Amino acid sequence: EAQVTQNPRYLITVTGKKLTVTCSQNMNHEYMSWYRQDPGLGLRQIYYSMNVEVTDKGDVPEGYKVSRKEKRNFPLILESPSPNQTSLYFCASSFTVAGELFFGEGSRLTVL
Amino acid sequence: GDSVTQMEGPVTLSEEAFLTINCTYTATGYPSLFWYVQYPGEGLQLLLKATKADDKGSNKGFEATYRKETTSFHLEKGSVQVSDSAVYFCALRRSGNTPLVFGKGTRLSVIA
Repeated sequence: EAQVTQNPRYLITVTGKKLTVTCSQNMNHEYMSWYRQDPGLGLRQIYYSMNVEVTDKGDVPEGYKVSRKEKRNFPLILESPSPNQTSLYFCASSFTVAGELFFGEGSRLTVL
Repeated sequence: GDSVTQMEGPVTLSEEAFLTINCTYTATGYPSLFWYVQYPGEGLQLLLKATKADDKGSNKGFEATYRKETTSFHLEKGSVQVSDSAVYFCALRRSGNTPLVFGKGTRLSVIA
């Protein structure tokens, strides 16, 4: 089944404790992206990647890192999480940046 | 920069009512326009799209027409069902190699 898989789906952590949210897609998509969804603010792009080893900042990249060492994986790294990073995070992918986006089911992160 | 403005929700309708969710955009050139839907507990999925002026996108009984003169892409459905309860996002892509820009989303609740 074609899908975008995120892990963990739910996580509660504390300020400053490094964490990684993994994202994997099995559709051989070149383009991958991370979004955060917050009430009243909608969906905001954090980082995106056009292809392996190519990543770019989105609208809200501060406090996040990404890497794209393999085509299928695009992990989101929070080196030192803070409470303002409490949010619902979505990974998405498409064949190209112009293609239909496929979303994962989301990862709800709470930073205390 | 490019932006999408949606009507604020939540929108609450009775089953079989007519639905309109307004969406206007600001962008240079001729962007492609999209509606994505997010059902409870899930990621977003593409509902419909239109790539040029006067195009009408349609899917699952929903329709939206690309109006260049009013820079709008309003979502409509003639008779909503309880299963249409979701958050609806309007989005645009300015050119083939640029990421999607999303609106803030409009929550729709349909009651029996």
